[in-house]
Amino acid sequence: DGGITQSPKYLFRKEGQNVTLSCEQNLNHDAMYWYRQDPGQGLRLIYYSQIVNDFQKGDIAEGYSVSREKKESFPLTVTSAQKNPTAFYLCASSILFSGKLDNEQFFGPGTRLTVL
Amino acid sequence: AQSVTQLGSHVSVSEGALVLLRCNYSSSVPPYLFWYVQYPNQGLQLLLKYTTGATLVKGINGFEAEFKKSETSFHLTKPSAHMSDAAEYFCAVGPYNAGNMLTFGGGTRLMVKP
Repeated sequence: DGGITQSPKYLFRKEGQNVTLSCEQNLNHDAMYWYRQDPGQGLRLIYYSQIVNDFQKGDIAEGYSVSREKKESFPLTVTSAQKNPTAFYLCASSILFSGKLDNEQFFGPGTRLTVL
Repeated sequence: AQSVTQLGSHVSVSEGALVLLRCNYSSSVPPYLFWYVQYPNQGLQLLLKYTTGATLVKGINGFEAEFKKSETSFHLTKPSAHMSDAAEYFCAVGPYNAGNMLTFGGGTRLMVKP
């Protein structure tokens, strides 16, 4: 079955530590996205990538970093510079066709990060 | 710029009653509109989407939504609520660039009473 996997499901870290969240997709999608979800605030975009070795900041990129070395992988690192990292993190992907912009985003199951 | 407003962060209905979740958007270009559902501690699943053509869109699990350009709305409805419909629902508008970006509303949590 094609889909998006995120690991781990739950993650705990101490203050001052960096942590990396995994996101892998086997849908052959071009674009991948990272969102942060907090209660009552919907989804906020952290980073996105349209092509391998290229990515752009979203609305709340401060304190986060990403890489896109392979089409199927888009890991997110939450650095110690992120002041309030406790949240639910969602990875998504979508097709990018030239001239066709109505493609939905497909979401992974999410990773819940808790800073102790 | 695009934005989405979902009226009511929490909606409660009785089982068998009509479900109405409201979504209003603003967009400087013809919008594509989406409704997603999220069950606790899970990712988002697409319910339905409007791109072009028929303004009444049918989705999964008996949900439908109507695009009303004059009202800049895309409300989600279901004639008869089921306990399994209890979840959080997100309206989204897009895209706003070639990266297929979406702007999400704040979400509405639907509670279904027996």
